[in-house]
Amino acid sequence: EIVLTQSPGTLSLSPGERATLSCTASQTVTNNFLAWFQHKPGQAPRLLIDDASDRVAGTPDRFTGSGSGTEFTLTISRVDPEDSAVYYCQQCAHSPLTFGQGTKVEIK
Amino acid sequence: EVQLVESGGGLVQPGGSLRLSCAVSGFTFRHYWMHWVRQAPGKGLQWVAMIKGDGSQRFYVDSVEGRFTISEDNARNSLYLQMDSLRADDTAVYFCAGGLGWTAQYWGRGTLVSVSP
Repeated sequence: EIVLTQSPGTLSLSPGERATLSCTASQTVTNNFLAWFQHKPGQAPRLLIDDASDRVAGTPDRFTGSGSGTEFTLTISRVDPEDSAVYYCQQCAHSPLTFGQGTKVEIK
Repeated sequence: EVQLVESGGGLVQPGGSLRLSCAVSGFTFRHYWMHWVRQAPGKGLQWVAMIKGDGSQRFYVDSVEGRFTISEDNARNSLYLQMDSLRADDTAVYFCAGGLGWTAQYWGRGTLVSVSP
């Protein structure tokens, strides 16, 4: 099983600041099949980034995914109050599929 | 418009059974991989199981293998999760999700399963 470790646990930022979220895999994620999700309380999780760096339709361009192998990053260039949520990485290369424990982004 | 709507959650005693359903509209079900993902109270997301839309392949997380069964009905565009031998640690919101590959692009809002005496 691939274990994903996300850091930091919580990010507290002011609007307009840059957010950098990390996701480290215990082994190589084949073909960089790594996704990023945004999850707000009471809502369905939302897919933001597929295959490590492909922004899905509807994802604002302030969200950028990067990385390969075992190290991945989600960057929010200028956070907006609507970005307040928990962000999860998920590897979709090997069964069982696994999620990181999440990074909570708080907007001051 | 794509919609996934879960149903069937509720309160059940330890050792009991429950069957979750997910009604899918807006995409051709049999071409997609369909998943169940859960979130225990105060915890993160955990992938539970997935099935190829034609029913030909299924995978499970170890903790539910042998107790849960994922299935589909293409004619009804519906996904199911039969949950047997339920335990307290199965208490969670269960989400239905689907995607063309193994990444879940579309999600429902979830249904709550509570396992308690």
